[in-house]
Amino acid sequence: GQNIDQPTEMTATEGAIVQINCTYQTSGFNGLFWYQQHAGEAPTFLSYNVLDGLEEKGRFSSFLSRSKGYSYLLLKELQMKDSASYLCAVRDSNYQLIWGAGTKLIIKP
Amino acid sequence: NAGVTQTPKFQVLKTGQSMTLQCAQDMNHEYMSWYRQDPGMGLRLIHYSVGAGITDQGEVPNGYNVSRSTTEDFPLRLLSAAPSQTSVYFCASSSSGPPHSDGYTFGSGTRLTVV
Repeated sequence: GQNIDQPTEMTATEGAIVQINCTYQTSGFNGLFWYQQHAGEAPTFLSYNVLDGLEEKGRFSSFLSRSKGYSYLLLKELQMKDSASYLCAVRDSNYQLIWGAGTKLIIKP
Repeated sequence: NAGVTQTPKFQVLKTGQSMTLQCAQDMNHEYMSWYRQDPGMGLRLIHYSVGAGITDQGEVPNGYNVSRSTTEDFPLRLLSAAPSQTSVYFCASSSSGPPHSDGYTFGSGTRLTVV
């Protein structure tokens, strides 16, 4: 079967750095997405990786290792507004997205 | 504002009732889809469409119907509501097939409770 694993919840301090991991086992791989979802709102697109390595976008970076079935989202200089759930999704061989359950990130002052 | 519009935002149904969740996008996106989101689970695909007149089933299609008569609209019909259909429903679209590097644009969601 297909599976995406993420930690259920993480806590970090304002101004710090946090890394959210995602491991996946899917039938084929055609890209990995990270989305941010604030409570009661829709997911919004953060990043996309299809090749191994690090993609940087301001305070957010996403890393992919296809051989290990592993990705992480790195958030720097954490702000209170970063408190949200972070969803990892993999596009499989049928080009459909398989979603993880999300990681709830709590930022403390 | 360009984007995906979902209505209603909240709905309470009695078991056995039917209803239609509306989804419209004004970005001329070919690909549209419906997901449900339940606590502790990832988003699950219900139905999707790659263009007007074309629809297909996702992971959890039972109890739901869709149609795509225009590029803009993709309504989701619940035929006979059941408590197991209590969930948050999201409509999502993208410009070319299942999303490429620009990802999906999501609607704001419909919170449905079936009692």
